[in-house]
Amino acid sequence: GAGVSQSPSNKVTEKGKDVELRCDPISGHTALYWYRQSLGQGLEFLIYFQGNSAPDKSGLPSDRFSAERTGGSVSTLTIQRTQQEDSAVYLCASSPGGSGRLQETQYFGPGTRLLVL
Amino acid sequence: QKEVEQNSGPLSVPEGAIASLNCTYSDRVSQSFFWYRQYSGKSPELIMSIYSNGDKEDGRFTAQLNKASQYVSLLIRDSQPSDSATYLCAVNLRSNDYKLSFGAGTTVTVRA
Repeated sequence: GAGVSQSPSNKVTEKGKDVELRCDPISGHTALYWYRQSLGQGLEFLIYFQGNSAPDKSGLPSDRFSAERTGGSVSTLTIQRTQQEDSAVYLCASSPGGSGRLQETQYFGPGTRLLVL
Repeated sequence: QKEVEQNSGPLSVPEGAIASLNCTYSDRVSQSFFWYRQYSGKSPELIMSIYSNGDKEDGRFTAQLNKASQYVSLLIRDSQPSDSATYLCAVNLRSNDYKLSFGAGTTVTVRA
């Protein structure tokens, strides 16, 4: 079946502008994650949604970052007043959720490459 | 101390050799462990998961877990140039939580 999809694949914006990044998880997956990966760096956790529970926002780097997930499916990550240090690849992943170890395996989308000029 | 640590490499091995990657983690209650492969410019791809102490083999890949010593390793046998990538170790640090912590990754180069 279809994997995780993200859009846009690339985004170039000017400093100070707002951007919205979209993630479509695998159908039926209840858990959704956002990560950020700067050039040559590991994955930095941003936010995690699980079903109808309150999201875990502990990784958001500042109040300029926010995310929502509508209807338990599509998620949007919004960065307000972008800064040059926000330039990175933003990766979305989903997992089946529920009980059992296989339910926690995360599958990644292709990412959105954000460049803030 | 970082929650998940890996040797950054780069690790260079000749074609046909064994590549050995190590990962240590900080939380003794961790239960789930994953290895992801990431080609340059691409997203991470799951290659192995392991949950119990000991070895788990899948083709040319073997994951080894030692919870007492808090480390997990990945062996790539008969390394091929197509194995050249960054390998990310990921650990579920807490039970009842699906959030994974990732190491910074080890870059492997297989020389033809």
